[in-house]
Amino acid sequence: DAGVIQSPRHEVTEMGQEVTLRCKPISGHDYLFWYRQTMMRGLELLIYFNNNVPIDDSGMPEDRFSAKMPNASFSTLKIQPSEPRDSAVYFCASSLVGTKYFGEGSWLTVV
Amino acid sequence: GIQVEQSPPDLILQEGANSTLRCNFSDSVNNLQWFHQNPWGQLINLFYIPSGTKQNGRLSATTVATERYSLLYISSSQTTDSGVYFCAVAGANNLFFGTGTRLTVIP
Repeated sequence: DAGVIQSPRHEVTEMGQEVTLRCKPISGHDYLFWYRQTMMRGLELLIYFNNNVPIDDSGMPEDRFSAKMPNASFSTLKIQPSEPRDSAVYFCASSLVGTKYFGEGSWLTVV
Repeated sequence: GIQVEQSPPDLILQEGANSTLRCNFSDSVNNLQWFHQNPWGQLINLFYIPSGTKQNGRLSATTVATERYSLLYISSSQTTDSGVYFCAVAGANNLFFGTGTRLTVIP
């Protein structure tokens, strides 16, 4: 398997623009997680899905953030409108039982 | 949530040296993983080790769940071992990450 695939790998956008991050989990995995990593707060869980259903979104910072999982092989994390403080690395991870596997991350810079 | 503490926060080693990284956690866990984040930012899974001992090459890990700690051993360190090592523990389906140990291996 190719592992968890995220896109884009890097994005620089202007404040106020919409940002969409994408994730393809490992085939067969039924859990999908979105994490954010910043220098100040480390790695934080934003939201996770089980069988495409959002289970816990308590980590989503505010209404500007939304996540969807329309099918078992695709998820998006959207920020609208983006702000400079959203600059971070966003990781997607998937798991079946036990071990979680992470994508390579999407490096977002909002200027 | 579960509190995860890692020590030391920073570690500088001469190439070839051995080291032990520690992870303490505040509650019973179903799952513990060690990750290496390399200088390019990639999070690489090292071990899934809720209990017991595992070895993979120069790395090994031991988790004593009853005493709520895990240790990661790095032997004969190499410059490619540099990066941040994270311990992450899970209750249900969330992973709680420690703040990491930043390892720098110098030639």
